[in-house]
Amino acid sequence: ETGVTQTPRHLVMGMTNKKSLKCEQHLGHNAMYWYKQSAKKPLELMFVYNFKEQTENNSVPSRFSPECPNSSHLFLHLHTLQPEDSALYLCASSPAGAGHTGELFFGEGSRLTVL
Amino acid sequence: AQTVTQSQPEMSVQEAETVTLSCTYDTSESDYYLFWYKQPPSRQMILVIRQEAYKQQNATENRFSVNFQKAAKSFSLKISDSQLGDAAMYFCAYRRPVYNTGTASKLTFGTGTRLQVTL
Repeated sequence: ETGVTQTPRHLVMGMTNKKSLKCEQHLGHNAMYWYKQSAKKPLELMFVYNFKEQTENNSVPSRFSPECPNSSHLFLHLHTLQPEDSALYLCASSPAGAGHTGELFFGEGSRLTVL
Repeated sequence: AQTVTQSQPEMSVQEAETVTLSCTYDTSESDYYLFWYKQPPSRQMILVIRQEAYKQQNATENRFSVNFQKAAKSFSLKISDSQLGDAAMYFCAYRRPVYNTGTASKLTFGTGTRLQVTL
C-alpha cells in the first residue's frame, strides 16, 4: 500500500478532451508536486504546492491546470493537450521546510496518452 | 542552475555480482542532499539511499552504498550481491539546501540508468 495514490493509472484522451488526474497523500505532508516523466529525459518538475499555495510553476503551458484544495489532495486538469504531452505524470509529497531531508514520496504515476 | 548527469543509460550485472552506477552533479552550494531513487517496472519511485553533503562518511543501506566525492561532485551507487529484484531504473537526484521553515523541497533528477540483472 502506497502513501501516495494516483488515479487513474492509465488515461487515453483526444486533443479536445478535458480530463483530470488526481493525487492523494496519506502521509501528513505539507508539500505536493507534479512531475512529468518522458523517456530518456530527466524528470521535469511542473508544479509545487506548499501548504495549499502554489509556489512553483516551471513555465508549464496553460493547458495544464493544477488545483490543490488541501494539503492531502492535488489535481492536474488537462485540456486541449498535444500528442507531445503523452508521458507518465508523477505526483509526490514531502514534509516542508528546514530540518527535513527533503526526500520525496511518489505515487505510481498516471500514464497519459494523447491521440 | 543545478544539473545532475547520469552517463550510463543502461547497465547489466549478473546475479550476486556488484555493480556501480555513476552520477555527477553541478552546484555552487556547499550544503545539500543527494539521493538515489529506484523505479521498478511497477513504476513507483522509491528512495534507495540519501547522503547529506556535510557528512564525510558514505551512506550505506544494506546492500546499497554510495561513494560520495564532494570535491569531484560525484555520487555513485554501489549495489552488492545483486538480486533479480534490483532490476529497475535508478535515478540520481540533488536537493538544494532549504533554510526556511515551510519551504517545499525541489529535487533535480538525472536521466536515469536502466539496470538489468541476469542469471
